[in-house]
Amino acid sequence: SQTIHQWPATLVQPVGSPLSLECTVEGTSNPNLYWYRQAAGRGLQLLFYSVGIGQISSEVPQNLSASRPQDRQFILSSKKLLLSDSGFYLCAWSDPYEQYFGPGTRLTVT
Amino acid sequence: ELKVEQNPLFLSMQEGKNYTIYCNYSTTSDRLYWYRQDPGKSLESLFVLLSNGAVKQEGRLMASLDTKARLSTLHITAAVHDLSATYFCAVDADWTSGSRLTFGEGTQLTVNP
Repeated sequence: SQTIHQWPATLVQPVGSPLSLECTVEGTSNPNLYWYRQAAGRGLQLLFYSVGIGQISSEVPQNLSASRPQDRQFILSSKKLLLSDSGFYLCAWSDPYEQYFGPGTRLTVT
Repeated sequence: ELKVEQNPLFLSMQEGKNYTIYCNYSTTSDRLYWYRQDPGKSLESLFVLLSNGAVKQEGRLMASLDTKARLSTLHITAAVHDLSATYFCAVDADWTSGSRLTFGEGTQLTVNP
């Protein structure tokens, strides 16, 4: 069966510091991968998606970037965090019919 | 730009009562999803609706999709406390090119004894 992992689970970072969040998927090959962000009390906003290694599409302009160095690994990065980057970051993978979400990383920028 | 609107955003109901959550969306789509989120947790998939007229039921929850009206409903029957959570609908407007979901703002449901 497929499993999706995210780490770290929680993170507290100062403004201006770099960021790296990692997501890995097990039990499937060449999945579509996604990064979403959820601000407090809000719905999810799609940030990036990837249909293959090195193929990244950005949905919203921001100071974040994503990379897919391996088939089942998806990384979200920032060179300098802003206060507005605080939120709950969810990675997901999809089959032809559904998206499956990871456990999430809660990021607080102070 | 696809917009997804849920109402109500907050719902407080008594155990044993029935209620419906509505999800309207702005562009043509025949793929709609319902998720549940408990506080501090990730999303749990409830229903996948893949065609006009689709109806799915699981326990006290039933979801339906009317693609012509661009409307989905999540009906709660005889609510119990365990159903307290936030419920999101999400629409996939272009699933042929990568399944990118647009979410509603969520309905925070509280079921009181």
